[in-house]
Amino acid sequence: GDSVTQMEGPVTLSEEAFLTINCTYTATGYPSLFWYVQYPGEGLQLLLKATKADDKGSNKGFEATYRKETTSFHLEKGSVQVSDSAVYFCALIGVNTGNQFYFGTGTSLTVIP
Amino acid sequence: DTGVSQDPRHKITKRGQNVTFRCDPISEHNRLYWYRQTLGQGPEFLTYFQNEAQLEKSRLLSDRFSAERPKGSFSTLEIQRTEQGDSAMYLCASSPTTGNYGYTFGSGTRLTVV
Repeated sequence: GDSVTQMEGPVTLSEEAFLTINCTYTATGYPSLFWYVQYPGEGLQLLLKATKADDKGSNKGFEATYRKETTSFHLEKGSVQVSDSAVYFCALIGVNTGNQFYFGTGTSLTVIP
Repeated sequence: DTGVSQDPRHKITKRGQNVTFRCDPISEHNRLYWYRQTLGQGPEFLTYFQNEAQLEKSRLLSDRFSAERPKGSFSTLEIQRTEQGDSAMYLCASSPTTGNYGYTFGSGTRLTVV
């Protein structure tokens, strides 16, 4: 079945450091891929998405590229800020399971000044 | 539009009691979803409605769980005879009918069963 494997945390970085959170997936065909962010005490917010191979999703300085050959969708940011501290979830919607998300386990990021 | 609203935000209940949560989706969204998120895990799909019809249910949705969306607007999720393993965050999301990319999640209801 469809699934997402996400880099385990927690991750602690200094402000302005480079961020990479790895995400790989298993799915039939070409799923749609997403990154969601969850701040403490809040629901999930869509950060970025990509719906076909080689697409790059970007938002708020974060980027992720849909790599079919490596079945990956790694999240990157060149310079993190304290306000980026949150839990990040990689997710997919499959071709045959289009009415539900499959989420990774989440990666907690803490950015220290 | 204020987004997806969930009520209550927190619920503490004794084992064996029944609880009911409410979700108010974005008004023009026909689809409504319930997910469960346990500590340290990603959300897991429970069920999905299109308008008032419940079209999919996960195996996670045991017979103690029931969800309704009687008029195709708000939805309720009831858990009967709660168990400690039901302690989790229950998330509601809504989306338009077309496309799978417009999910908006609510802030969730955190259930603690003691």
